[in-house]
Amino acid sequence: AQSVTQLDSQVPVFEEAPVELRCNYSSSVSVYLFWYVQYPNQGLQLLLKYLSGSTLVKGINGFEAEFNKSQTSFHLRKPSVHISDTAEYFCAVSGRSGGYNKLIFGAGTRLAVHP
Amino acid sequence: DTEVTQTPKHLVMGMTNKKSLKCEQHMGHRAMYWYKQKAKKPPELMFVYSYEKLSINESVPSRFSPECPNSSLLNLHLHALQPEDSALYLCASSQQASGSHEQYFGPGTRLTVT
Repeated sequence: AQSVTQLDSQVPVFEEAPVELRCNYSSSVSVYLFWYVQYPNQGLQLLLKYLSGSTLVKGINGFEAEFNKSQTSFHLRKPSVHISDTAEYFCAVSGRSGGYNKLIFGAGTRLAVHP
Repeated sequence: DTEVTQTPKHLVMGMTNKKSLKCEQHMGHRAMYWYKQKAKKPPELMFVYSYEKLSINESVPSRFSPECPNSSLLNLHLHALQPEDSALYLCASSQQASGSHEQYFGPGTRLTVT
């Protein structure tokens, strides 16, 4: 069975500093990996995805993530954060259930950007 | 257009009420999903529809009744809910329910059961 672990429940950071949100997954088969962002009182927005190919994936809002198969990780990075990046970030893996793919989410990481 | 819309935005209902949540997408997606999200938790999958047929029911209590009238619409009928059912209900859609297709989420309906 697939699972996702987000190692940090909260990450405080100052504006314009770099940030890394960590995500580890477990799976015995090929995986599809996603990062979603959820701003307060909103739904989830896809930041980026890894399906295959290049292990460095670039997404929206200046975020990128690196797929590392040997370490079963898919960490999210941004070189310089803004106040507006304050949100909840979810890592997810697509797992199969009865012939259908379902998203399995990590517990989430709350990114708090301070001025 | 990559938008999934949900109505209403907020809903307060008593335990004896019957209400419905509505979700709509016009991206031509053939898979639609209902999730429940409690505060400070990740979304939990409730139902998956594929080509308008219920494909996955994650052992959801029968007081939640999904319906997919056509490929663009998804409803969630609510009856005799409990206060612990208060949550954000999210709808999502994807091109297919299998494969690598990402899911697009709506803004959610904030449900309060009194």
